[in-house]
Amino acid sequence: NAGVTQTPKFRILKIGQSMTLQCTQDMNHNYMYWYRQDPGMGLKLIYYSVGAGITDKGEVPNGYNVSRSTTEDFPLRLELAAPSQTSVYFCASSYSSGFEQFFGPGTRLTVL
Amino acid sequence: AQSVTQLDSQVPVFEEAPVELRCNYSSSVSVYLFWYVQYPNQGLQLLLKYLSGSTLVESINGFEAEFNKSQTSFHLRKPSVHISDTAEYFCAAGGNAGNMLTFGGGTRLMVKP
Repeated sequence: NAGVTQTPKFRILKIGQSMTLQCTQDMNHNYMYWYRQDPGMGLKLIYYSVGAGITDKGEVPNGYNVSRSTTEDFPLRLELAAPSQTSVYFCASSYSSGFEQFFGPGTRLTVL
Repeated sequence: AQSVTQLDSQVPVFEEAPVELRCNYSSSVSVYLFWYVQYPNQGLQLLLKYLSGSTLVESINGFEAEFNKSQTSFHLRKPSVHISDTAEYFCAAGGNAGNMLTFGGGTRLMVKP
């Protein structure tokens, strides 16, 4: 099992550009999550999904969008990138909401 | 809603000294508890977990944590730390009652030679 994979590993964007962060899991988990982690800080939940076709906002959803067309994939879309979105983004998945989450290696995004 | 508090944001300690990273949670219902470790520039990895049974759980690299229901705590301990234990440690609480897994703010363990 590859677990949770994320692409790209690194990306530099200019202000106003858009991009999609990819996340795929091969554990057949229903639950998937997107977090951001700012330097020296903890995790903040951006969006989560409880299954294909169902998504919901987390703590910091503004400036982001998600979709969940399959169980395996949970892409995160950044529209009109801003410097405040410079962060490390982690995708995670779990069997159920209160169970252990499995994390991807992260995407380091810089917006200049 | 569930909350998780890690009382220390940073813990400096000398190599081979013991360490305790503190974690308290708020749930009064059946709870699952986890400790994750994040090494520099890496993702989060599960270190150990408590689901049920023995209140003392251990990791393969010498860490242990004890579930204390009366004090709603799940402190992480290691009797002798190594330089390689330098990392960020996150406590998390969940359960089977539909609550989302909630993370604490993290504790940075800094092991000095």
